[in-house]
Amino acid sequence: LAKTTQPISMDSYEGQEVNITCSHNNIATNDYITWYQQFPSQGPRFIIQGYKTKVTNEVASLFIPADRKSSTLSLPRVSLSDTAVYYCLVGAGSYIPTFGRGTSLIVHP
Amino acid sequence: EAGVAQSPRYKIIEKRQSVAFWCNPISGHATLYWYQQILGQGPKLLIQFQNNGVVDDSQLPKDRFSAERLKGVDSTLKIQPAKLEDSAVYLCASSKGWGQIPGGSGNTIYFGEGSWLTVV
Repeated sequence: LAKTTQPISMDSYEGQEVNITCSHNNIATNDYITWYQQFPSQGPRFIIQGYKTKVTNEVASLFIPADRKSSTLSLPRVSLSDTAVYYCLVGAGSYIPTFGRGTSLIVHP
Repeated sequence: EAGVAQSPRYKIIEKRQSVAFWCNPISGHATLYWYQQILGQGPKLLIQFQNNGVVDDSQLPKDRFSAERLKGVDSTLKIQPAKLEDSAVYLCASSKGWGQIPGGSGNTIYFGEGSWLTVV
């Protein structure tokens, strides 16, 4: 079961780029890396998913190095509304991805 | 496309009482999950259904929790009797399938808004 390690919290300011790194040293060959965002009083929301190299969508970018032992979620030009908890999940293989405690991102004016 | 629907949104009960939560997954999603999220922690999987069969319920406290998905569509999670430590958000989620599709993307899990339970 792939375990993930993320920073517990991060602070940023409006307009800055935020990079949240997740370590997953024992990722399996069939595992994908998925990031979720959760606002207070809401369920987690899918942000982005990738297997290797770089994936970009309208919300974020996901960078995965060749060894896949880590991944970095990049949020360009954050705003106050990006204040949330961000979860890195590894799995979608023969077992269910497990949520850790996530990274609490606070964006300041 | 409608998302995962859950009800009730909020519930307050006394300890030893019972409560039931309902979930309707996204149309066409075969896999349904119930998660428990305690304040300040990440969601913890309680049970996973594939259609109307249970795939994983290893973390479900079966002495007091039960869940069913009789027709393979909507699902009910019940707690009886409730304890103070059951105060949490109960999240329902669904995905198209489960497991790795060779050469394809992983199955993305979509969550509902959650049902907030307070046991007093």
